[in-house]
Amino acid sequence: DAGVTQSPTHLIKTRGQQVTLRCSPKSGHDTVSWYQQALGQGPQFIFQYYEEEERQRGNFPDRFSGHQFPNYSSELNVNALLLGDSALYLCASSPELRSSSGANVLTFGAGSRLTVL
Amino acid sequence: KQEVTQIPAALSVPEGENLVLNCSFTDSAIYNLQWFRQDPGKGLTSLLLIQSSQREQTSGRLNASLDKSSGRSTLYIAASQPGDSATYLCAVKEGNTPLVFGKGTRLSVIA
Repeated sequence: DAGVTQSPTHLIKTRGQQVTLRCSPKSGHDTVSWYQQALGQGPQFIFQYYEEEERQRGNFPDRFSGHQFPNYSSELNVNALLLGDSALYLCASSPELRSSSGANVLTFGAGSRLTVL
Repeated sequence: KQEVTQIPAALSVPEGENLVLNCSFTDSAIYNLQWFRQDPGKGLTSLLLIQSSQREQTSGRLNASLDKSSGRSTLYIAASQPGDSATYLCAVKEGNTPLVFGKGTRLSVIA
């Protein structure tokens, strides 16, 4: 059973460029969340997609955008890259929360390491 | 706003020692708390999840406890091994809000 897969694993961009990161969720999961993890920090929530719509968003500028496809896979796009965007970008999937118990568990991918020069 | 703090930031122990990692959170109204392991440059692996109604969870040499009223959790690792060397992250969940993570504790187990 494949877990969450992310591509590319590593990439280098220069300031001002645009980047697209991709994520395929775990089989049976329909909700995808994206996190940014700077060096030495905990992951910070960017946004979450469900039913092809952005459902929640963290404190990130509009340069960060995303998309979810009918097969539940997702993309994270970052425009006008800044040096501070260098980080590990983590994708996590989960089944849709169908109760208020909060018991759904996220499954994380290995991440995409972005370096902005 | 929920904040999660992990102490210590880094820890180095000789192989075989038992150790405790600490996590504290500011808002006790959580649904669950989760401990993750992260190897350098890698993604997160879930170790233990404790529901708000539970006091502890165990998996092999790992035991996690939760004291929701005081806003604290501990991760106990028994008989540490060099393979346990990694960063350990604590994260809490409130309702439908996203997971809130601490900065992690970087553990080194020396052979």
